[in-house]
Amino acid sequence: AQSVTQLDSHVSVSEGTPVLLRCNYSSSYSPSLFWYVQHPNKGLQLLLKYTSAATLVKGINGFEAEFKKSETSFHLTKPSAHMSDAAEYFCVVVTDSSYKLIFGSGTRLLVRP
Amino acid sequence: KAGVTQTPRYLIKTRGQQVTLSCSPISGHRSVSWYQQTPGQGLQFLFEYFSETQRNKGNFPGRFSGRQFSNSRSEMNVSTLELGDSALYLCASSSTLGGEQFFGPGTRLTVL
Repeated sequence: AQSVTQLDSHVSVSEGTPVLLRCNYSSSYSPSLFWYVQHPNKGLQLLLKYTSAATLVKGINGFEAEFKKSETSFHLTKPSAHMSDAAEYFCVVVTDSSYKLIFGSGTRLLVRP
Repeated sequence: KAGVTQTPRYLIKTRGQQVTLSCSPISGHRSVSWYQQTPGQGLQFLFEYFSETQRNKGNFPGRFSGRQFSNSRSEMNVSTLELGDSALYLCASSSTLGGEQFFGPGTRLTVL
C-alpha cells in the first residue's frame, strides 16, 4: 500500500535562507508524487509534480524537489525563503490501481523576518 | 479558464441536520474529488466521481454521500450532522484519473 510521511510538522526559517521540507514515501511501484501548498483560508495549489520523467522537478515560485528512489524521498527545497512562502505544504502520492491521492500530514512553514 | 468553485463558502448547521455542498469543476474536467480537512485528522479523501460514476470512496460512514451530474458538477451530502463533521470540505477537479488536481477554496462547515 502506498503511504507518505512528512517528517516535520513545523519548519521555521529566516527570510532569505534555504527551505527544506522532507517527505518520504512508500510505494510498490514507481509512483506519481506531488507537492501542494495551502495558504491560510485558501484551497490547495499544486507546486510541482513528479511522474517518472526527470528526477529533479522544478515548480512554481522557485521551489523544486528531487525524487530519490534509493531513499524513497521527495524533499521540497527552495534556495531563499520569502515571507509569502509561509503556508502549509503537503506531500502527496498517487495510488496505483485506484488513482487516489494520499496526502501527508502537512508541514507548516514559518518564515521569520 | 475559471477555476473550481464551491458553494456555499461558509455554512453553520446544528446537530442532526443535513447539508448539501456544491462543486463546479474546471470546464472540461470530468473527475471531481472531495476531501475533508480537520486540524486533528488532516486531509482525508471522501470520494471521487468520474463521468457520473463513483470511482473511489474513502473510509467515511454512509452519512456522507455524493453524486455527479452530466455537466460534471458534483454535490456532496452529509446527513444527521455530528459535531465532528465540522471541517473544511475541499473539492478538486482533474481532467484524468490520477492527474493533477485543481482545488477549490473549500466550504467551511460548522456544526453546533
